[in-house]
Amino acid sequence: GDSVTQTEGPVTLSEGTSLTVNCSYETKQYPTLFWYVQYPGEGPQLLFKVPKANEKGSSRGFEATYNKEATSFHLQKASVQESDSAVYYCALSDLDNNRIFFGDGTQLVVKP
Amino acid sequence: GPKVLQIPSHQIIDMGQMVTLNCDPVSNHLYFYWYKQILGQQMEFLVNFYNGKVMEKSKLFKDQFSVERPDGSYFTLKIQPTALEDSAVYFCASSRDINQAPLFGEGTRLSVL
Repeated sequence: GDSVTQTEGPVTLSEGTSLTVNCSYETKQYPTLFWYVQYPGEGPQLLFKVPKANEKGSSRGFEATYNKEATSFHLQKASVQESDSAVYYCALSDLDNNRIFFGDGTQLVVKP
Repeated sequence: GPKVLQIPSHQIIDMGQMVTLNCDPVSNHLYFYWYKQILGQQMEFLVNFYNGKVMEKSKLFKDQFSVERPDGSYFTLKIQPTALEDSAVYFCASSRDINQAPLFGEGTRLSVL
């Protein structure tokens, strides 16, 4: 079945440092890949999605490249801010079951 | 922009009672989802719904759970009877097609006492 494995959190960084959250996936298909962000007390919101292999998605300084060969979709940001503190979810579309499959989420804590 | 609205934002009920969580999805969306999130834990898929039918449900979607969207109105999750372990935040989401990122509501916090 499908699986999404992310960096285990919490990840604690100082403001201005770089971020990488690893995401690896397993699926039989060629999924669309997503990164969602969830702030405390809110529902998850889409950061960006990438439907095709070897393409890059980006938003608010975050980016990730759909690497089909490595089955990876790592999230990166060059310089994090305190406001980036949230839980980040990697997800893939499961066409056989008509659903979006989420990883366990990675909590990011950014200290001033 | 378009929003998924969830009503109520917080519901407190006694164990064994019935509860209905309401979701007002985006008007032209066709796929609907419910996810469950226990405090501090990851989001877990419960069920998805398309064309008036449940497409897939997880092991968390117990026999006490049911979903429907009568006459294109609210997409509802009903739990009857409720149990203590049903306490969680329930998120509704909708999308136009399977490759579109689902848009999530703010969640309904369910407290079963």
